[in-house]
Amino acid sequence: ELKVEQNPLFLSMQEGKNYTIYCNYSTTSDRLYWYRQDPGKSLESLFVLLSNGAVKQEGRLMASLDTKARLSTLHITAAVHDLSATYFCAGDSQGGSEKLVFGKGTKLTVNP
Amino acid sequence: EAQVTQNPRYLITVTGKKLTVTCSQNMNHEYMSWYRQDPGLGLRQIYYSMNVEVTDKGDVPEGYKVSRKEKRNFPLILESPSPNQTSLYFCASGRRSYNEQFFGPGTRLTVL
Repeated sequence: ELKVEQNPLFLSMQEGKNYTIYCNYSTTSDRLYWYRQDPGKSLESLFVLLSNGAVKQEGRLMASLDTKARLSTLHITAAVHDLSATYFCAGDSQGGSEKLVFGKGTKLTVNP
Repeated sequence: EAQVTQNPRYLITVTGKKLTVTCSQNMNHEYMSWYRQDPGLGLRQIYYSMNVEVTDKGDVPEGYKVSRKEKRNFPLILESPSPNQTSLYFCASGRRSYNEQFFGPGTRLTVL
């Protein structure tokens, strides 16, 4: 059974700094997803990582996937306040199934 | 506009009074799913459907029912709601071949 663990669960950082959120998963997962959730809002898809070594970037966020290490990272570069949100990673369970298993989320607060 | 809609957005009800939360998508997605989100527990999948008339249990199906009679609709039914079903519920849909899921706005349910 796929388990997905994120760390840290809470992250407070200053504007302009860099940081990385880690997502570890327990068994083979075909794909890895990152979502963003603003307070009181729904989830918004950020990245879909389809294969080992995949790297995707959007603005100040960059996601990567290492299937051998069962690890995905979400790197934040020069954080700004607008990035404050909760970030979730999710993996596919049972290879090829559409069942997603989510991590508990990382609540990011970017302080001026 | 491509979207997933849920109704109602907010609902306060009493124990035992049957209710239905509707979910509809206009993207012709095969896959639809229901999640509940609780503080400290993240998102947990309740039921999912890989196509019309095909549904399966997620991680926390007890106390819920679903049906998928049409491709666009996937209602969540609580036959006899209990206070432990107080939660924030999200419906999501996606294409089967590329499992990026699109989430609805959420339904905040309180069972007294």
